[in-house]
Amino acid sequence: NAGVTQTPKFRILKIGQSMTLQCAQDMNHNYMYWYRQDPGMGLKLIYYSVGAGITDKGEVPNGYNVSRSTTEDFPLRLELAAPSQTSVYFCASSYSAFPDRGLQETQYFGPGTRLLVL
Amino acid sequence: RKEVEQDPGPFNVPEGATVAFNCTYSNSASQSFFWYRQDCRKEPKLLMSVYSSGNEDGRFTAQLNRASQYISLLIRDSKLSDSATYLCVVNSGTYKYIFGTGTRLKVLA
Repeated sequence: NAGVTQTPKFRILKIGQSMTLQCAQDMNHNYMYWYRQDPGMGLKLIYYSVGAGITDKGEVPNGYNVSRSTTEDFPLRLELAAPSQTSVYFCASSYSAFPDRGLQETQYFGPGTRLLVL
Repeated sequence: RKEVEQDPGPFNVPEGATVAFNCTYSNSASQSFFWYRQDCRKEPKLLMSVYSSGNEDGRFTAQLNRASQYISLLIRDSKLSDSATYLCVVNSGTYKYIFGTGTRLKVLA
């Protein structure tokens, strides 16, 4: 099991460029998440997905888009990169046997993508 | 008031010391509680879940106090390798995990 994998590890973008951050998990988890972590701050949820074909906004979704065509993959798209999107991005996954009851098991995180927008 | 609050530290302790961190949460309907460890420039990794009855894993003990809405982490016999940031995480149901900003621990030789 590779767990949660993310690519690339590091990227420099120019203002206005676009890119896709890749995330994959091989644990058959139904929930997947994208967070950003700024220095000295807690993780902020960007988008999440409860299963293939279902995504929803988190706390800080502006400037990002996601898709979930398969259980395994959850890419994050940045359109028109801005300096405010300079951050470390973590993808995570978890399993819920009873999603309608809101019970969650542990989240597992990928190694992160460091993004610098200049 | 923040949903999850932690003392940012840093806590500087000598090897072998016992150190404790607290974390308060504001949502009384919170259901699941976790302590994660995050090393510099790395991803958060689960240290332990926190159960209502309290739980222990080796040198680490976690407690939950629902009445006062806080969780705690006790580390006994601190090792140099325990130096990290400890994140308190509260789940309020479904997708919503709320992360504290973390408490930095530095164990000194």
